[in-house]
Amino acid sequence: NAGVTQTPKFRVLKTGQSMTLLCAQDMNHEYMYWYRQDPGMGLRLIHYSVGEGTTAKGEVPDGYNVSRLKKQNFLLGLESAAPSQTSVYFCASRKGGTGGGYEQYFGPGTRLTVT
Amino acid sequence: RKEVEQDPGPFNVPEGATVAFNCTYSNSASQSFFWYRQDCRKEPKLLMSVYSSGNEDGRFTAQLNRASQYISLLIRDSKLSDSATYLCVVPYGTGGFKTIFGAGTRLFVKA
Repeated sequence: NAGVTQTPKFRVLKTGQSMTLLCAQDMNHEYMYWYRQDPGMGLRLIHYSVGEGTTAKGEVPDGYNVSRLKKQNFLLGLESAAPSQTSVYFCASRKGGTGGGYEQYFGPGTRLTVT
Repeated sequence: RKEVEQDPGPFNVPEGATVAFNCTYSNSASQSFFWYRQDCRKEPKLLMSVYSSGNEDGRFTAQLNRASQYISLLIRDSKLSDSATYLCVVPYGTGGFKTIFGAGTRLFVKA
């Protein structure tokens, strides 16, 4: 049981390049989330999903797109990277459903630098 | 007012000390609250849940004051290994799908 995994762990992009971050969970969780964490600002929600095939915007969605084609995977895409997107990206999942807990389980993070 | 606000610290305490952190929240409808711990360059991990007035787990006690809209985390007999950033987390929205994380309080426990 690997929990929540993220690939890649590190990436350096040039401005304007695109990339996709992959999040996978093997806990059969319904809800999945993408956050970014910047110094002094805490985690901010980018997008989230409450089930396979569904996605919704969070607090800071601009410049990002997501897809949840399979229940276990949640992809975060950057179409045209900007230096302001330099950050640490965390994926998380949560059981959800009736009686499901609110606790979120996080992946190890992806450190992205945009030059 | 920020939706979830924490004292950023850092708190520098000696081993064995008792230390307390506060977290204030603005959404009076919130029903559940969480403390997560985050080590340097690592992912956040759940430390404690608070669904009613409080919760206790060993050296850690979390308390909720709904009237004043704050939760607290008390750590007794601090250990070196308690050094970390402590995040206050509040679910919101229908079904609590979304969560707001506080910016965190940094704790350094020194020998």
